[in-house]
Amino acid sequence: NAGVMQNPRHLVRRRGQEARLRCSPMKGHSHVYWYRQLPEEGLKFMVYLQKENIIDESGMPKERFSAEFPKEGPSILRIQQVVRGDSAAYFCASSHAPDSTNEKLFFGSGTQLSVL
Amino acid sequence: KQEVTQIPAALSVPEGENLVLNCSFTDSAIYNLQWFRQDPGKGLTSLLLIQSSQREQTSGRLNASLDKSSGRSTLYIAASQPGDSATYLCAVRRMTSGSRLTFGEGTQLTVNP
Repeated sequence: NAGVMQNPRHLVRRRGQEARLRCSPMKGHSHVYWYRQLPEEGLKFMVYLQKENIIDESGMPKERFSAEFPKEGPSILRIQQVVRGDSAAYFCASSHAPDSTNEKLFFGSGTQLSVL
Repeated sequence: KQEVTQIPAALSVPEGENLVLNCSFTDSAIYNLQWFRQDPGKGLTSLLLIQSSQREQTSGRLNASLDKSSGRSTLYIAASQPGDSATYLCAVRRMTSGSRLTFGEGTQLTVNP
């Protein structure tokens, strides 16, 4: 039973390019969360998705960032026209029963994005 | 707005020592609190989850307590080992924020052999 899978592990982009980060949740999980960890800072919530729906995107920057979780395939976090300030570790997490007070999130190993 | 603070930011102890990591949060209306471990270059591993109605949870050498009214949680590690060296994060799930977690900035623990 594989855990949350993120790829790539490391992604290098030049300013102005696009970055696509992928996340496959744990088997049986249909709820995906994206968090960003900037250098020397804690994890910050970005977006919460269910299959084909964005539930909460209150932590996502209004411009250049988008996320999707299609019916088939992984969740994608897309950053257009990247800037140096986007350099960070991006973590994906998944859960099975978000309405339960006993809900646990399971995290992937993250994608380290470096913008040159 | 929920704020989560962890003290100390870094801690270095000799092997075998018992230690306590602290977490405080400003909004006591929480569903639960989780302690995670993060190793360099890796993801987060959930260690313990305490529901808002619980006072503590134990797993092996780890014990986490929760005092919701005062907005505090502690993670107690008994008989520390070099393999415990990692960053420890606490995160709260608020009642008004759906499933999102608010994280502290972590305590970086080093256990010296």
